[in-house]
Amino acid sequence: GAGVSQSPSNKVTEKGKDVELRCDPISGHTALYWYRQSLGQGLEFLIYFQGNSAPDKSGLPSDRFSAERTGGSVSTLTIQRTQQEDSAVYLCASRAGTGTDTQYFGPGTRLTVL
Amino acid sequence: RKEVEQDPGPFNVPEGATVAFNCTYSNSASQSFFWYRQDCRKEPKLLMSVYSSGNEDGRFTAQLNRASQYISLLIRDSKLSDSATYLCVVDTGRRALTFGSGTRLQVQP
Repeated sequence: GAGVSQSPSNKVTEKGKDVELRCDPISGHTALYWYRQSLGQGLEFLIYFQGNSAPDKSGLPSDRFSAERTGGSVSTLTIQRTQQEDSAVYLCASRAGTGTDTQYFGPGTRLTVL
Repeated sequence: RKEVEQDPGPFNVPEGATVAFNCTYSNSASQSFFWYRQDCRKEPKLLMSVYSSGNEDGRFTAQLNRASQYISLLIRDSKLSDSATYLCVVDTGRRALTFGSGTRLQVQP
């Protein structure tokens, strides 16, 4: 079946602009995660959605970052007033539930802020 | 201190060699453990889960030592295609998985 998809695959923007990144999780997966990975670094947790529960936003680095998940499926990560330090690969992952289920990653969106 | 620590490497080994990666984690309440593989400019993919009793998948063996909060991955008979970054991953049950920064492996002909 289809895996996690993300769009766009690449985004180049100017400092100060807003960007929206989209994630389509695997159908039926209740858990959805956003991470970011800067060049040569590990994955940094951003936000986590589980079913209808309130999202865990504890990883968001500033109030310029927000995310929503509509209808328990598609998620959008929004970065307002982008800064150069926001440049990274933004990865989305989904998981069937909690516990030991495997987390599947999308291909990521490479964001470059000029 | 990072929650999950790994030697960044790189580990440069010849084909056919055996190589081992180690990882330590700080949260004693961690419940599940994984090794993910990430190829250059690609997303991470699950390599294997790690069980307390140790587990093997072909040339790959994973071990967990809860007392020492230590996880290992052993790769036997290395192939060129094993070249990648190996991520140690811990699930504390609180939220998303916690990833180490990864250990880079380069297998040379």
